[in-house]
Amino acid sequence: GAGVSQSPRYKVTKRGQDVALRCDPISGHVSLYWYRQALGQGPEFLTYFNYEAQQDKSGLPNDRFSAERPEGSISTLTIQRTEQRDSAMYRCASSQLAGTSGEQYFGPGTRLTVT
Amino acid sequence: QKEVEQDPGPLSVPEGAIVSLNCTYSNSAFQYFMWYRQYSRKGPELLMYTYSSGNKEDGRFTAQVDKSSKYISLFIRDSQPSDSATYLCAMSASGAQKLVFGQGTRLTINP
Repeated sequence: GAGVSQSPRYKVTKRGQDVALRCDPISGHVSLYWYRQALGQGPEFLTYFNYEAQQDKSGLPNDRFSAERPEGSISTLTIQRTEQRDSAMYRCASSQLAGTSGEQYFGPGTRLTVT
Repeated sequence: QKEVEQDPGPLSVPEGAIVSLNCTYSNSAFQYFMWYRQYSRKGPELLMYTYSSGNKEDGRFTAQVDKSSKYISLFIRDSQPSDSATYLCAMSASGAQKLVFGQGTRLTINP
């Protein structure tokens, strides 16, 4: 398909384990965003990239969270030493241009459950 | 207080009605305004994208922005059961790329 894809779609992990969530943006999109969405809430910004450069990571909750986009395409969001409060839907979005928010297109999300 | 306020509803209207969905915001730097539709268990889908104040129409959907009042609206005409979803407003400041979302309004259109 031509949309944003994310994997895995569902991830159940035990507290203390590390997890890696993957996002494959729309082909040619320069900017890639990570958001987290709690049930009944709107998405909350985590971090974003223009090409391979991480531009803003102000939304990452703490230093257990990190993200990378080494070749300016696929991105990985890593959560180390997971805690139950990390359980949420993690959403990725991409947009064609950098410099403004632009039209951001979202993927289906990864539902993370920490037990 | 949140930067973007949106009544979570739920809102239930009969088929064919005109629906009005609204958000207020506090950050006067917001210049770009969006509406997303989110079906259950799906990702948000971009419906409308507008810049600054004014109206934008796309089919049965009309987005309005009133920056002087810090108030945005989405109108849905001739509402259909397939319009039943959660509607999220989102906005960003000029030069900023991150979106700030409202809580979302859950809408049901009854046949």
